[in-house]
Amino acid sequence: DGGITQSPKYLFRKEGQNVTLSCEQNLNHDAMYWYRQDPGQGLRLIYYSQIVNDFQKGDIAEGYSVSREKKESFPLTVTSAQKNPTAFYLCASTPPGWAGKDTQYFGPGTRLTVL
Amino acid sequence: SQQGEEDPQALSIQEGENATMNCSYKTSINNLQWYRQNSGRGLVHLILIRSNEREKHSGRLRVTLDTSKKSSSLLITASRAADTASYFCASVIQGAQKLVFGQGTRLTINP
Repeated sequence: DGGITQSPKYLFRKEGQNVTLSCEQNLNHDAMYWYRQDPGQGLRLIYYSQIVNDFQKGDIAEGYSVSREKKESFPLTVTSAQKNPTAFYLCASTPPGWAGKDTQYFGPGTRLTVL
Repeated sequence: SQQGEEDPQALSIQEGENATMNCSYKTSINNLQWYRQNSGRGLVHLILIRSNEREKHSGRLRVTLDTSKKSSSLLITASRAADTASYFCASVIQGAQKLVFGQGTRLTINP
């Protein structure tokens, strides 16, 4: 069963704690993306990676970090430096040669709440 | 912000009516995509229209693109209760390999 999985579905964090969100894909896609979505808003790009061991900042990277050690995995760490982390986080991926020509494939999302 | 704008922000219609959502963007694009999001879920791709196309159909969906006005519209005909969702446009900016999303239209279909 191919697709993108995100875990956990719901995550609660105390202020000052780092937390890592998981994103895994078995689609053999090269590029992976992390987005943040606030209530009633569109998606904003946090980080993206087009190849293993390489990634680029998106529009709102401050307070977040990522790694891309494996093609299948692109975890996102929300650090204590992120002042307002409560949001819905979506991971996406695209096949080789995407260059914006086709859809991005999205995971089901993780809802992060800071207590 | 590079984000486009969508209009209206919310739309409520009766089942069977047509729903029209509009999207504007700011820079030259390669293509424009429309996605659907059910509450609390991921996004599902609906349709893609390339910058050299003016209109595209897929089932009950009709998308138009006017590059001179930097705008697109999504028409859902004969709406159903199951069409209740948020709809987002996303543009692929020329020279960039990322999507820029609009803020979305929240569509409610009343039975």
